[in-house]
Amino acid sequence: IVLTQSPRSLPVTPGEPASISCRSSQSLLHRNGKNYLGWYLQKPGQSPQLLIYLASNRASGVPDRFSGSGSGTDFTLKISRVEAEDVGIYFCMQVLEIPSWTFGQGTKVEIK
Amino acid sequence: QVTLRESGPALVKPTQTLTLTCTFSGFSLSTSDMCVSWIRQAPGQALEWLARIDWDDDKYYNTSLKTRLTVSKDTSKNQVVLTLTNVVPVDTATYYCARTPLEWAAFDYWGQGILVTVSS
Repeated sequence: IVLTQSPRSLPVTPGEPASISCRSSQSLLHRNGKNYLGWYLQKPGQSPQLLIYLASNRASGVPDRFSGSGSGTDFTLKISRVEAEDVGIYFCMQVLEIPSWTFGQGTKVEIK
Repeated sequence: QVTLRESGPALVKPTQTLTLTCTFSGFSLSTSDMCVSWIRQAPGQALEWLARIDWDDDKYYNTSLKTRLTVSKDTSKNQVVLTLTNVVPVDTATYYCARTPLEWAAFDYWGQGILVTVSS
């Protein structure tokens, strides 16, 4: 399964919204009704951190300005109002079929 | 408080075997539906999932690296060990271990990572 993120680079203005797309080459919708896609943010010099799991569930401690949506092959991560601390590289990852878990190429978010 | 920490050599020579240890606390790998995964990131590149070991000792490997990877656990020591045989320069990367609760199908806690360079 190949994940394609767009854009690859995203200049943002603090206080403005931002959106990242992740498209999968195959549906990530399991027969149990769950979409097996997650979103991670890797801040500069840090380990990745989980933002969203199962397409739309915010991880513990993640600000509510982050939201995930989508189903099947098209997914979106939205930031309602970007803050300076949100800069970094955002990755989507599919976990539908083990052992074929894969990440997207990443989207670099930086302040304009 | 959940923590994970990777340890191992910073430098290995081509053809050698790389052995990394993930020491964790704050959870038990004997708990049902709990797993630990290994992920790596070559310099300036995307993340790559490598392997996963489950509470029941099931093991899964990245298909492209399966013949070179082995993962094991010592539940009493709260450790997971990853070995990668016959390393080559393209294996140079930061290696992370991460807690993987199956309920979430995600990596909710990560170690700080260890940079391993493969060079003669």
